[in-house]
Amino acid sequence: GAGVSQSPRYKVAKRGQDVALRCDPISGHVSLFWYQQALGQGPEFLTYFQNEAQLDKSGLPSDRFFAERPEGSVSTLKIQRTQQEDSAVYLCASSTRTANTEAFFGQGTRLTVV
Amino acid sequence: KQEVTQIPAALSVPEGENLVLNCSFTDSAIYNLQWFRQDPGKGLTSLLLIQSSQREQTSGRLNASLDKSSGRSTLYIAASQPGDSATYLCAVDGAGAGSYQLTFGKGTKLSVIP
Repeated sequence: GAGVSQSPRYKVAKRGQDVALRCDPISGHVSLFWYQQALGQGPEFLTYFQNEAQLDKSGLPSDRFFAERPEGSVSTLKIQRTQQEDSAVYLCASSTRTANTEAFFGQGTRLTVV
Repeated sequence: KQEVTQIPAALSVPEGENLVLNCSFTDSAIYNLQWFRQDPGKGLTSLLLIQSSQREQTSGRLNASLDKSSGRSTLYIAASQPGDSATYLCAVDGAGAGSYQLTFGKGTKLSVIP
C-alpha cells in the first residue's frame, strides 16, 4: 500500500480482556517498529522487527505484551489481560533496512481500557 | 540512555511570524534526527530527516539544522500559517548496532492565531 496502515483505529476494551492490534507496513520495508504514546507524551519504543525476526523487545512494559511478524510483512501487537495503564495510542512505523532512512508512521490505534 | 528535550512545550504566535522550535539530545552518537508533525488524534507525519553528516535540511517554509557535537537541532518555520498548528516532535535514532529505534521528545504544541 501507499502508507502504513493500522487497524482498528479505535479500540475499547474491558479490563482483563485481550486485544490484538494490526499493522500493515509499506510494501518492501524490512524494518517495523511499535511505539506507545501516552496522552501528552512523545512516543516510546516497544519493539523492533527486521523481516520476521524480532531483534529488540526491550521496550515491552510487561510479559502481557507480545508482538509477532510471522511472514515479515504484517505485524500484530497483542496485549493480554489489559489494564487501565495500557490505555494509549499504539503507533506502528516502517522503514528500509539501512540506518540513514526515514521512518514512516501509521495513524495509530487508540486503545481505551475501561 | 538517550534523552531528548524540546523547548518550549507550547507556543502561540500570530499568523505570519517566523518561529524556532528547539530540540536537544544527550548522546551525540546518532545516525539521524527526524522532525515530525502530529495533528490531534492522528499519527506522525515526517517533515524533515537530517543525517548525522548533514548540518541542515530544507522543505518549503521549513528549515531544520543539526549541531551533532553539541546535541542540538532547531526547526525554523517561516511565515507561519494557521494550518501549521500542530504538535511538533523531534526524534533521534540510536547508534547501537542493529537497532534503529527512535527516541522522541515530548513535543512542542504550536498554535498559529489568524
